Amino acid sequence: ETGVTQTPRHLVMGMTNKKSLKCEQHLGHNAMYWYKQSAKKPLELMFVYNFKEQTENNSVPSRFSPECPNSSHLFLHLHTLQPEDSALYLCASSQDVAGESTDTQYFGPGTRLTVL
Amino acid sequence: QKEVEQNSGPLSVPEGAIASLNCTYSDRGSQSFFWYRQYSGKSPELIMSIYSNGDKEDGRFTAQLNKASQYVSLLIRDSQPSDSATYLCAVDRGSTLGRLYFGRGTQLTVWP
Repeated sequence: ETGVTQTPRHLVMGMTNKKSLKCEQHLGHNAMYWYKQSAKKPLELMFVYNFKEQTENNSVPSRFSPECPNSSHLFLHLHTLQPEDSALYLCASSQDVAGESTDTQYFGPGTRLTVL
Repeated sequence: QKEVEQNSGPLSVPEGAIASLNCTYSDRGSQSFFWYRQYSGKSPELIMSIYSNGDKEDGRFTAQLNKASQYVSLLIRDSQPSDSATYLCAVDRGSTLGRLYFGRGTQLTVWP
């Protein structure tokens, strides 16, 4: 089992629903990430948080809203999604050290989202 | 031009053979390189990281990096059926530490 947990593991929602994905890391890292993985596509970075501050929003539609209350927890709030948003949503964490090389990102198990 | 390119495969090798996975990248400023393994329906798990030109060995796995050619590879010796998975190459953005580009992945099948 990894040090990054995600809930729920599976989620089916309608286009008018509001739901949230949760991620928690137990590794003492200072950076957390949301990725989207669709079939036959590379992993797409969505959001990055360093020390609870959002440092990157990779042109993600506003129907996805991240929240990072502390360095260990990360949420992705979902509302009025589209069927094309169905994908595996992965959370990752790393220990970013300013001025050093990029450290390894550790992934959670993911949430398989289906939008009907 | 894609930031990270991998042969999508599928790559099929017999048990005990050497599997060779290749990756090229476009950002000359990239400094950190990773290979992740992803089983079907699971999340990526780190296999190897490499930061300097040359070879890095860890058990049956060897990562090779050539920054001049913008090329990174992963060799799996004595391949086992349990190695059957998709292998993702990840490269950092030279301009922004901590941000990774991922390739589409190479699907490897090791048959008994």
